[in-house]
Amino acid sequence: EVQLVESGGGLVQPGGSLRLSCAASGFTFSSYWMHWVRQAPGKGLVWVSRINSDGSSTSYADSVKGRFTISRDNAKNTLYLQMNSLRAEDTAVYYCASLNYQLPPRQGAFDIWGQGTMVTVSS
Amino acid sequence: SYELTQPPSVSVSPGQTARITCSGDALPKQYAYWYQQKPGQAPVLVIYKDSERPSGIPERFSGSSSGTTVTLTISGVQAEDEADYYCQSADSSGTYDVVFGGGTKLTVL
Repeated sequence: EVQLVESGGGLVQPGGSLRLSCAASGFTFSSYWMHWVRQAPGKGLVWVSRINSDGSSTSYADSVKGRFTISRDNAKNTLYLQMNSLRAEDTAVYYCASLNYQLPPRQGAFDIWGQGTMVTVSS
Repeated sequence: SYELTQPPSVSVSPGQTARITCSGDALPKQYAYWYQQKPGQAPVLVIYKDSERPSGIPERFSGSSSGTTVTLTISGVQAEDEADYYCQSADSSGTYDVVFGGGTKLTVL
């Protein structure tokens, strides 16, 4: 079964750190860009970060640049998001996803999301 | 930063046609993707590369593109189509960062 399973969410104080993991199975993880997307309670989807297939290129939303680090271990089929200096506004469900969007454009409709992990930043 | 603009809400009666628009300056150069999200669930891709429909997505879902606007059309709306819909694309400034529209709540009256 093709799936992504996130873990590592929880309650953390402002200024604290958290590391999210996303375990992939059922597809060739090392072939695809991977993304983190977050959704604050009652709000829309917001892209956070992406990493290319071999981990040599990363990109971040301005709101997390310098605080979050995306990485991957293709041998373990796992994606990570290290989150430092957390703020109340980082409170959200964090999804890992292999979006259909990729460069060069991929063939077919492959697109998969995990079920998300909740991160709450509060004192 | 690059933005995609969607209407916050669209309402239609069952059997009617719903059209949800998404506007962005880079849309003539970048593909658009559409996601459906129901409460408590992860998003599901319903349209990719402007107008392609994944297998398993009903034929009533279609996508089109014209200039800086893309449109998701749901023909013969059913109650089960009530959900939030998000367009997604990328900027064309060189970073090719992903961007999502603000989302449109489709209400089936």
